Amino acid sequence: SQQGEEDPQALSIQEGENATMNCSYKTSINNLQWYRQNSGRGLVHLILIRSNEREKHSGRLRVTLDTSKKSSSLLITASRAADTASYFCATDDSGGSNYKLTFGKGTLLTVNP
Amino acid sequence: ETGVTQTPRHLVMGMTNKKSLKCEQHLGHNAMYWYKQSAKKPLELMFVYNFKEQTENNSVPSRFSPECPNSSHLFLHLHTLQPEDSALYLCASSPAGTGNYNEQFFGPGTRLTVL
Repeated sequence: SQQGEEDPQALSIQEGENATMNCSYKTSINNLQWYRQNSGRGLVHLILIRSNEREKHSGRLRVTLDTSKKSSSLLITASRAADTASYFCATDDSGGSNYKLTFGKGTLLTVNP
Repeated sequence: ETGVTQTPRHLVMGMTNKKSLKCEQHLGHNAMYWYKQSAKKPLELMFVYNFKEQTENNSVPSRFSPECPNSSHLFLHLHTLQPEDSALYLCASSPAGTGNYNEQFFGPGTRLTVL
């Protein structure tokens, strides 16, 4: 069954605006990660938040985690055209292998100059 | 540059061909992965190798055959593929066994087209 589900599927904003993407999951997790993928390329790890953390920052990225709602959000502030990419959340099942991740379908973010 | 390389970057093959995808990581990681990424689908985990041992085969058809000769190299041997196997094949590695979290490092992928 699908573990991570990103919302929205696609998001188009103007440069300088903030972009918020959401992720919902079904099972208990050890941690949740966000990855970015430029078109036709590999994924790049952005940020990891552990199940006992509620918020984490990295540069223009802010991630929140609500384990009671089984959801996470990724906020990109002051977006740039170079932020255009697909963004995926990935979770590990706390009852399973600690090295196996399940990815969602992703949110396609377009930042217009 | 993530430290994970994949060759070839693009591959076109007929259904009767045999080809291999190669992945190499220069990060000293112990776990390596093959994923399949098709349009409008989530990333699908195919195989996991941990310390050269296969620990996950996610019900992958036998026309895909992985090989992990050492912790730095991973191959995916392809034979008698179908057009629906056309996709982006991604390799990843991670420092498995170092804790209860697992950041994965991805290669750029091989874009496979089966005619």
